Amino acid sequence: QKEVEQNSGPLSVPEGAIASLNCTYSDRGSQSFFWYRQYSGKSPELIMFIYSNGDKEDGRFTAQLNKASQYVSLLIRDSQPSDSATYLCAVEYTGTASKLTFGTGTRLQVTL
Amino acid sequence: DTEVTQTPKHLVMGMTNKKSLKCEQHMGHRAMYWYKQKAKKPPELMFVYSYEKLSINESVPSRFSPECPNSSLLNLHLHALQPEDSALYLCASSQQAGGFNEQFFGPGTRLTVL
Repeated sequence: QKEVEQNSGPLSVPEGAIASLNCTYSDRGSQSFFWYRQYSGKSPELIMFIYSNGDKEDGRFTAQLNKASQYVSLLIRDSQPSDSATYLCAVEYTGTASKLTFGTGTRLQVTL
Repeated sequence: DTEVTQTPKHLVMGMTNKKSLKCEQHMGHRAMYWYKQKAKKPPELMFVYSYEKLSINESVPSRFSPECPNSSLLNLHLHALQPEDSALYLCASSQQAGGFNEQFFGPGTRLTVL
């Protein structure tokens, strides 16, 4: 069973702080990693993807991948109340023809 | 145009009804997907179409019937659904199927089965 694990939260951070969201996956044979943001009642929105070990930065967002530890994370700098949402980690395993396995999501609350 | 559109936004149907969900993208993507999402759960893959051919069916009951008439359009035909099929149905597309392709979701159709 290929699994993706996330802490369900809520993760509460004050406005302006760094939010750190973590995700672990069970199968070393994975190739693509995605972070989606989902507001309540809305559809998932892709915010970051990463394919290689290391860090990838896009604006206030940084994705970090460590394949040896089977760990992917998302850092949100200067957190804003509008960042309050559920963040879904998704992993594409090798040979599954674009089948994404999603974690259960971490709910982030950014407080004033 | 970087959008995936879905119609209708909301659908209420009885267990004996036949209805269809529609999804459209004009990004030139050749892979399209149907997902089902229940409240407070992650999306679950139902079907994958690659170059208008069904490539993955995640053992979905036959009361759900997908169709891909062309590379821009994806339908999901619904018949004899059960109340437990009530969920948010999400369509997604990606440039290709098969690795290293970001999937973009449409806004979803919220389905209620009475």
